Order: sequence, then C-alpha cells, then structure tokens
Amino acid sequence: GDSVVQTEGQVLPSEGDSLIVNCSYETTQYPSLFWYVQYPGEGPQLHLKAMKANDKGRNKGFEAMYRKETTSFHLEKDSVQESDSAVYFCAPSALDTGRRALTFGSGTRLQVQP
Amino acid sequence: ETGVTQTPRHLVMGMTNKKSLKCEQHLGHNAMYWYKQSAKKPLELMFVYSLEERVENNSVPSRFSPECPNSSHLFLHLHTLQPEDSALYLCASSQDFTSGSGSYEQYFGPGTRLTVT
Repeated sequence: GDSVVQTEGQVLPSEGDSLIVNCSYETTQYPSLFWYVQYPGEGPQLHLKAMKANDKGRNKGFEAMYRKETTSFHLEKDSVQESDSAVYFCAPSALDTGRRALTFGSGTRLQVQP
Repeated sequence: ETGVTQTPRHLVMGMTNKKSLKCEQHLGHNAMYWYKQSAKKPLELMFVYSLEERVENNSVPSRFSPECPNSSHLFLHLHTLQPEDSALYLCASSQDFTSGSGSYEQYFGPGTRLTVT
C-alpha cells in the first residue's frame, strides 16, 4: 500500500481563499518532512521542510506543521494567489529502514481561480 | 552552471534507437537519483546512486541502464524502448542519508521530455 497519502487530484480555490492540502504517512521511523512544488516545464523544487516534531516549515505564506502524534504534515495557506498554481508533493524521508530516498505522494494540483 | 542540469531537454526516439540522458550536479552532493514522471505515476523512483555505487534499483526494466562515473555525473542509457516509456525523466541529487548531515532534501533538474515513437 501507499506510504504517503495526500489530497487527491485537483484543488480549485478562488484567489483569497484559504487552503489545506492534506498529507499523512505511515512509518515506524522518525523522518524529515518536505513539501515540493512543481511549476509547468520545470522539475520539482523544495518548497518547505520540517526536521523534527512540532517544527513548522514556512515559505511564501505557506506553512506545514510536523505532527508526530498523527503522522501528518498538512500544507496550509490563509490566502492563495493565482501565482501559487502548481503541483504540490508531500515527501517524507526514509520511511523504511534502509531506504535512502524520499517517498513522494501522488501530487495535488492547485489551480487558483482569478 | 548552478544546481542540477539535464541534457537534452527534449528527445524523440524510435523503438530501435539507443540514446543517453545526461545529468550533472554542481552542488557538491554525493547521492544522485533518476525518476520517471508520467500521468499514471507522478514521481516514480528508478535508481539511486550513493558515492557512485548503485544502492537502489526499483524493478526497472533492463532497457534502462544507469551509469554514475563520478559523484557529479549521472547517465541513463536507453535502448529498445517502448511507447509506454514516454515520460519526463528527472534527475536529482542530495547528500547521502549516511552522511549524518541531517538534511536530505533533493534538488531536481528540469527533466528530459522523452517521446518514444
């Protein structure tokens, strides 16, 4: 089964709306947590990160809190802008012992309506 | 050049051709990765190299053959591909997990858009 589950498919908020993109993961380890963003024609780029429990990653008005008790890392923003439109990937590190790479979620396409 | 570069950016090849994708990282990292991105599987890990040694191979068909001659360069050699191999191929680099640096974020190149005809 999937080790990382994030909000499926596409999200279509209007400019100025608040946003939550869910991310939950399964692990017995203590991963670092990342959100990546991918704009059209580009590779994914690091958006924000949190390295330990109760850390909060922040970037461009987005926030995500490392919640160890619920193994979640939801991406939130109070007021989205059209320029935020992109695909967002949740990516915990080292979910399995010996796994050396990040595990990427399926991606959530954010399309902000003007 | 800075970051991670990939060449070519676009490639069209027939099923009987042989081609290679190239990736170069200018970040001083010691781990490199190949990913396949398609509509069916957004980010599918193919290979992982750490300190120039292949440490992960995720059941990738043998028509894909990686090569890592040094910590800055990574190649993906392609031969007798199928149309379903058409996708965006992404290279990434990071510090290796065993380095103890505590910071394992990956940095991606722009990708090679591959079309197999």
